Amino acid sequence: QKEVEQDPGPLSVPEGAIVSLNCTYSNSAFQYFMWYRQYSRKGPELLMYTYSSGNKEDGRFTAQVDKSSKYISLFIRDSQPSDSATYLCAMSAAIGRFGAGTRLTVKP
Amino acid sequence: DAGVTQSPTHLIKTRGQQVTLRCSPKSGHDTVSWYQQALGQGPQFIFQYYEEEERQRGNFPDRFSGHQFPNYSSELNVNALLLGDSALYLCASSLGVKPSIFGQGTRLTVV
Repeated sequence: QKEVEQDPGPLSVPEGAIVSLNCTYSNSAFQYFMWYRQYSRKGPELLMYTYSSGNKEDGRFTAQVDKSSKYISLFIRDSQPSDSATYLCAMSAAIGRFGAGTRLTVKP
Repeated sequence: DAGVTQSPTHLIKTRGQQVTLRCSPKSGHDTVSWYQQALGQGPQFIFQYYEEEERQRGNFPDRFSGHQFPNYSSELNVNALLLGDSALYLCASSLGVKPSIFGQGTRLTVV
């Protein structure tokens, strides 16, 4: 079993839709839970992170962590074509462990 | 603030050769991690440096080695290159155990 599992998609939604991206993990020692956005052939960009459980909101983005279920989510409201990218979940207990990434396309 | 900078951006090497990749961390960061990202995959952890010491290492062979300098910059060296080493090599920096910021990567092609 991989430490971090993420559905690779691809996921295609119309502009304005709510997008839900999810990951599961197996290591209870993870303390930081991150979401990165990666455009083609570029380095990952840190979107937001949460320490321990709970929700965090930043504009159109909301991150949720449920440590009891070992499940994290990223919601994107009012999705835009510029949100089209690969979204990587990651967890860390000093070392970042990444999911495979979900490729998202938002169609105008 | 320039963030994390990596050089070179692209590199083509022949099987059996050796390569050195370089990274300058974000100002104020003291920890540097290196990752390998194959096409369509998530980044895989190679190793992490803190205070010029390798703190942790992922499941990579000894052909992969690194160094951190007193100014926190870092190098990744790969010896005896294989075709399978072709990937995007990412450097990430952080302050302690906080989430990392990535550079734009070095795309290595081994022919």
